[in-house]
Amino acid sequence: DIVMTQTPLSSPVTLGQPASISCRSSQSLVHSDGNTYLSWLQQRPGQPPRLLIYKISNRFSGVPDRFSGSGAGTDFTLKINRVEAEDVGVYYCMQATQFPWTFGQGTKVEIK
Amino acid sequence: QVQLQESGPGLVKPSGTLALTCAVSGDSISSRNWWSWVRQAPGKGLEWIGEIYHSGSITYNPSLKSRVTMSVDTTKNQFSLKLTSVTAADTAVYYCARSMIAAGTFDYWGQGTLVTVSS
Repeated sequence: DIVMTQTPLSSPVTLGQPASISCRSSQSLVHSDGNTYLSWLQQRPGQPPRLLIYKISNRFSGVPDRFSGSGAGTDFTLKINRVEAEDVGVYYCMQATQFPWTFGQGTKVEIK
Repeated sequence: QVQLQESGPGLVKPSGTLALTCAVSGDSISSRNWWSWVRQAPGKGLEWIGEIYHSGSITYNPSLKSRVTMSVDTTKNQFSLKLTSVTAADTAVYYCARSMIAAGTFDYWGQGTLVTVSS
């Protein structure tokens, strides 16, 4: 299985300040079709996960543009430009390049 | 708007079978999407269980493959999960989700249902 490792596991952030989460995979996520199936999900307290970013950097419908994704190969980053109160929650990276699909362990974003 | 809703018993006895159904609205289960189950143990991360296509094609997580069965009912626009020989380790919130075609991720999720394994 591909292991997804996120850092940090906890990220206290001041409102209005940026936040960054790193995700590293145990092997390249470049699929044989040329795509990289790395996505980011947000899980607010008591809610199901919500898709933010797919294929490294594509924002899903309705996702604010303060969220952005980047990276390649085995190293990926989610950035929140200016953290708002509604961004509190746990963020997961996920790979769907190789079965079984696997998730990072999650990064908790909280307000200082 | 695509909506998914899980249903099933919230309590299952050890060694019993967990059975859940996911009703889909706003999309046809026969569309060009895959349909997945994901679970989350209390206070833990996400674990993908498996996915199914309306044709009956299925891929399971090898870690659960010996105990999992998924099926689809196109007439009711729903799909199902069965997990046998459950233990306390299977206690989790179970989510159904739509796998976004060609994007390799889940774009719509159900609210989740907590299944507790206990006698």
